[in-house]
This record gives sequence, structure tokens and C-alpha cells, in this order.
Amino acid sequence: NAGVTQTPKFRVLKTGQSMTLLCAQDMNHEYMYWYRQDPGMGLRLIHYSVGEGTTAKGEVPDGYNVSRLKKQNFLLGLESAAPSQTSVYFCASALTRTGSSYEQYFGPGTRLTVT
Amino acid sequence: GIQVEQSPPDLILQEGANSTLRCNFSDSVNNLQWFHQNPWGQLINLFYIPSGTKQNGRLSATTVATERYSLLYISSSQTTDSGVYFCAVRRGGGADGLTFGKGTHLIIQP
Repeated sequence: NAGVTQTPKFRVLKTGQSMTLLCAQDMNHEYMYWYRQDPGMGLRLIHYSVGEGTTAKGEVPDGYNVSRLKKQNFLLGLESAAPSQTSVYFCASALTRTGSSYEQYFGPGTRLTVT
Repeated sequence: GIQVEQSPPDLILQEGANSTLRCNFSDSVNNLQWFHQNPWGQLINLFYIPSGTKQNGRLSATTVATERYSLLYISSSQTTDSGVYFCAVRRGGGADGLTFGKGTHLIIQP
């Protein structure tokens, strides 16, 4: 049982390039989330999904897109990277159905630098 | 949106000391979690505690939901306890993610 995994662990992009971050969970969780963490701050929600085929915007969605084609995977895309998107990206998942725990479990993070 | 305030922002202690970290939040919540972010950046789940009291070894936590605060207690601190402690909440009835505080940066000196 690997929990929540993220690919890649590190990436350097040039301004304007695109990339996709992959999050996978093997806990059969319904809810999945993408957060970013900037230096000296807590995490902020980018996008989230409450089930396969659904996505919704969080606090800081601009410049990102997401897809949840399979229950176990949640993809975060940057179409045209900007230096302001330099950050550490965390994925999380939660079991959450009616009556279930809302506890979130986090992946190890992806450190992205945009030059 | 919901506001989360953590105190103190920084704390330096000697090994063996006890500490109390506080988290205040501005609205009713259906999820409150405490995390430890270690020096390698990994987020470790400490407690899922929207209300009540829990204990796990040297750590314990209490959430008083009606008064909108939570406390994390660390006893007999060890150097491995160093890092940043985050409180994060999800407002009651909401369907979105956690709102994080800015954290308490804890340094345990040998």
C-alpha cells in the first residue's frame, strides 16, 4: 500500500513550457486535491475533485488545469509556465463519502522551478 | 473564507522541554488536522481532531469546537520534533480542501 505518490519529484522548466504532474493513490479515496506551498507559508488549494470525472477550483486556480479520468489519478497541468509558479506542489486524498472521515493524506511533494 | 491563526510563529526549546501550540479558527469546521512538516518537506499526519482530545505517545491534541480553537501539546521534546507544525481546517458544510495556518516553526536544541 503506497498511499499517495507524486511524479516527478523535481522539475525545472523554462518560462512558457508546459508540463503535467501526476498524483496517484491506492486507498480507493473519493476526494483528491492539489495544493501549492510557497516559502514560509502554509499550503493553498489549487483545484480539487470529489469523484471520478469531476473537478472544481480552489483558492489559487489561475494558470492550472486538472483532470480526474480515473478514480485513482489526479493530474495537474501547467499550459504555459511562469516564474510565479515556482513552488512545491502537494497532492492529497481523502476517503470522504457521507459519514466517512474527511482526513486528508498527503504525497511527498513535487519541487518545481520555473526560470 | 475561513481564517486560521497559529501561535507562536517561532519557538526554540531545549531537549526535554514541553510546549503548547495554539490554533484559532474563525468558523465552524468539520475537519481539523495537525501536521508536522519535517526538514525534508514531508507532511506527516499527527491528528485528525475536529473535536475532543486525542493522544499519541508524547503528543496530544485538544479541539474545543464551540470556542474555535485547538491545542497541540508536545512533551519531553526531542531534536527529531524540530520542523514546522501546521494546523489546517475545513469549514463545516464545505466541499473544498483544507485551509492552512502559517505554521509554528519549532527548533529543539540538544
